[in-house]
Amino acid sequence: KNEVEQSPQNLTAQEGEFITINCSYSVGISALHWLQQHPGGGIVSLFMLSSGKKKHGRLIATINIQEKHSSLHITASHPRDSAVYICAVIPGTSYGKLTFGQGTILTVHP
Amino acid sequence: GAGVSQSPSNKVTEKGKDVELRCDPISGHTALYWYRQSLGQGLEFLIYFQGNSAPDKSGLPSDRFSAERTGGSVSTLTIQRTQQEDSAVYLCASSGVPPDTQYFGPGTRLTVL
Repeated sequence: KNEVEQSPQNLTAQEGEFITINCSYSVGISALHWLQQHPGGGIVSLFMLSSGKKKHGRLIATINIQEKHSSLHITASHPRDSAVYICAVIPGTSYGKLTFGQGTILTVHP
Repeated sequence: GAGVSQSPSNKVTEKGKDVELRCDPISGHTALYWYRQSLGQGLEFLIYFQGNSAPDKSGLPSDRFSAERTGGSVSTLTIQRTQQEDSAVYLCASSGVPPDTQYFGPGTRLTVL
């Protein structure tokens, strides 16, 4: 079993829908990243969080440390949101190196 | 430059040759990371440098892989006697003192024939 599990692995939505991607992890962490990778593109860090909730534009990330669970929400989804979303954790003693989930492939249709 | 840069962007080599991949981190970032993204394995950690501390090499897959960071800035990842399973995109990232947001470079796509 991977230390970081994401669900779903694939997600298809219609433009305007509310989207949720989930991430569960099995180790103690110091922080969690949500990353975005467009097809053929580089990786961009969307959020780094260690507690609570963060919001940036239409994106919201939440984390529950006790339950070892995080969610990434996209409101009013748009075709340009189509990308791979990757959850990555910093295990508590690793001081920075990331352990990655397998990614969620999101496709938003117009 | 404003971001993390890597060179070359693409590298094709023959099995058994050595390759060097370069990473220029964001100026002032103390931490530098190498990751690998391959089709079958997803993203995996390779090595991590933080300031003047000894690097964390726990993710290097074999002793054919090594990396150094000169002057706390530029880093080079060296793969000796390349094998076909080394084919992947090699990504570099940098950050401030961890844990901190990591900024990724565009990657080097390595193809071993």
